[in-house]
Amino acid sequence: TQLLEQSPQFLSIQEGENLTVYCNSSSVFSSLQWYRQEPGEGPVLLVTVVTGGEVKKLKRLTFQFGDARKDSSLHITAAQPGDTGLYLCAGANAGGTSYGKLTFGQGTILTVHP
Amino acid sequence: DAGITQSPRYKITETGRQVTLMCHQTWSHSYMFWYRQDLGHGLRLIYYSAAADITDKGEVPDGYVVSRSKTENFPLTLESATRSQTSVYFCASSPDGTPTLYGYTFGSGTRLTVV
Repeated sequence: TQLLEQSPQFLSIQEGENLTVYCNSSSVFSSLQWYRQEPGEGPVLLVTVVTGGEVKKLKRLTFQFGDARKDSSLHITAAQPGDTGLYLCAGANAGGTSYGKLTFGQGTILTVHP
Repeated sequence: DAGITQSPRYKITETGRQVTLMCHQTWSHSYMFWYRQDLGHGLRLIYYSAAADITDKGEVPDGYVVSRSKTENFPLTLESATRSQTSVYFCASSPDGTPTLYGYTFGSGTRLTVV
């Protein structure tokens, strides 16, 4: 069973601060995705990273896939209250019995205070 | 653009009762999934389906049954509900077996409480 460990599990910061969320595994993934979930709703896809070392930016959010494709990070610059939510990483494997399925981390609950 | 809808949004049931959670998608996506979400555990896969009449177990299938007679529907049945099945249940879909390209689209969830 592939596992994804996210850290920290909880993060409470002030508006304007920077933060980084980590997603680590001992397994190699063909790709990794980050989702954001708001209370009462399902997760929504933010980004997919595929290539080892890849960096993608989405406004103030920067996503990086580790060189060995076993880990990823999400960095938010100048956090805003609207960034509050649950952030989930999810890894995909290309074949075998895991085909088509994502393995999710346990999530990071981010609270940004005005 | 209805997307993917789950019903009911909230359900309270008694231990031992059978309950069915519904999931309907309007995109004709091949793949559909059922996850449960519990604090500290993230999303855990219960069952998934690659196409109509093709289903397979996920990580935590015990106590659950699924069917997929039509591409657009993927109901999840708890045969005899237990308190440990109290959770938020999410249905998701994907156009094919390569989430690398499209990711998953999730419904809004069903909050189930077993008393």
